[in-house]
Amino acid sequence: RKEVEQDPGPFNVPEGATVAFNCTYSNSASQSFFWYRQDCRKEPKLLMSVYSSGNEDGRFTAQLNRASQYISLLIRDSKLSDSATYLCVVNIGNQFYFGTGTSLTVIP
Amino acid sequence: EAQVTQNPRYLITVTGKKLTVTCSQNMNHEYMSWYRQDPGLGLRQIYYSMNVEVTDKGDVPEGYKVSRKEKRNFPLILESPSPNQTSLYFCASGGGAGYNEQFFGPGTRLTVL
Repeated sequence: RKEVEQDPGPFNVPEGATVAFNCTYSNSASQSFFWYRQDCRKEPKLLMSVYSSGNEDGRFTAQLNRASQYISLLIRDSKLSDSATYLCVVNIGNQFYFGTGTSLTVIP
Repeated sequence: EAQVTQNPRYLITVTGKKLTVTCSQNMNHEYMSWYRQDPGLGLRQIYYSMNVEVTDKGDVPEGYKVSRKEKRNFPLILESPSPNQTSLYFCASGGGAGYNEQFFGPGTRLTVL
């Protein structure tokens, strides 16, 4: 069983749309949670950490539900530049587990 | 500029020919890690290091070795590469235990024939 599961998409949305991604994790001992963004075959870059209380950074909102073991990312007012693959990442101890990523294309 | 560098960026080699991929960071990070990324499998952790002379296996360590003799460097060694090690490899560093952001190098695309 994979530690982290994501819907691979693709999600194709028009500019200005709101889009949400979900991610589930299997290990209740998971400690820290992140969303990374990866542009085509480039290195992943941190988009935001995910806190239990939920957190927002501009158009991006992340939520964590420990009881149900899922993490979500909401993108409002999508821009063309948001087109990328979004990786859900879970930390257990000193190890990191990545989801396979969700592909987003924002269409003009 | 704060960064993680990897070399080489691209490498084509043959089965059994030992190779080393270097990784260096200039952020004084304690934590460093190697990942491989394969289609449909995502990034999987190969090895990680909490500090100098401290290394541990990740999820897919078979066929790889690492060393951490200096804080800034964390080379990945393939003693006898095989075609199933053809992949995109990323090195990453982070500021502490696993709770913090990781910064990734640009990646090394390895092909083993």
